[in-house]
Amino acid sequence: TQLLEQSPQFLSIQEGENLTVYCNSSSVFSSLQWYRQEPGEGPVLLVTVVTGGEVKKLKRLTFQFGDARKDSSLHITAAQPGDTGLYLCAGATTNAGKSTFGDGTTLTVKP
Amino acid sequence: NAGVMQNPRHLVRRRGQEARLRCSPMKGHSHVYWYRQLPEEGLKFMVYLQKENIIDESGMPKERFSAEFPKEGPSILRIQQVVRGDSAAYFCASSMGQGSFSSYEQYFGPGTRLTVT
Repeated sequence: TQLLEQSPQFLSIQEGENLTVYCNSSSVFSSLQWYRQEPGEGPVLLVTVVTGGEVKKLKRLTFQFGDARKDSSLHITAAQPGDTGLYLCAGATTNAGKSTFGDGTTLTVKP
Repeated sequence: NAGVMQNPRHLVRRRGQEARLRCSPMKGHSHVYWYRQLPEEGLKFMVYLQKENIIDESGMPKERFSAEFPKEGPSILRIQQVVRGDSAAYFCASSMGQGSFSSYEQYFGPGTRLTVT
């Protein structure tokens, strides 16, 4: 059973601070997705990473896939209250089929 | 709206009744996934379906729960004889499932919040 562990589980910071959240596993993934979920809504896909060592940027968000494709990180620069939400990572091990989701990091950015 | 659609958004059922949750995937998507989420928890996989086929139901409880994705119409998650512990948000996601990396990318609906009284 593939297991994705996300840390920290909860994170509360002030507007303008930087933060990094992590997604770790002992399994190798073919690809990994990051999602953000706001209260009362479904998760929204942010990015997919597929190559070991890959770095993708989405405005103030930087996503990195580990060289061994077992872990990933999400770094947010100058966090804003609009970044508040549950950040989920999901990994897939085959070229089709279900993904395994982590339990998420709940981020609160205070104005 | 070409997104994943789920209905109803909110569903209240008394213990022992049946709950039927519907999901229409994004246009062009042939794979559907159902997840369950409790407050402040992550998504727990339930079942993965293609048209007329159940591919993986390893996350489905053995009793009272069933899912289908018929040739025509939406996917249905059915919960018979609901109990209070079934109260949760149920999310449906769809993907292309064409064997490329984009097949991993799941697009989620807004969810159905089931409350069992």
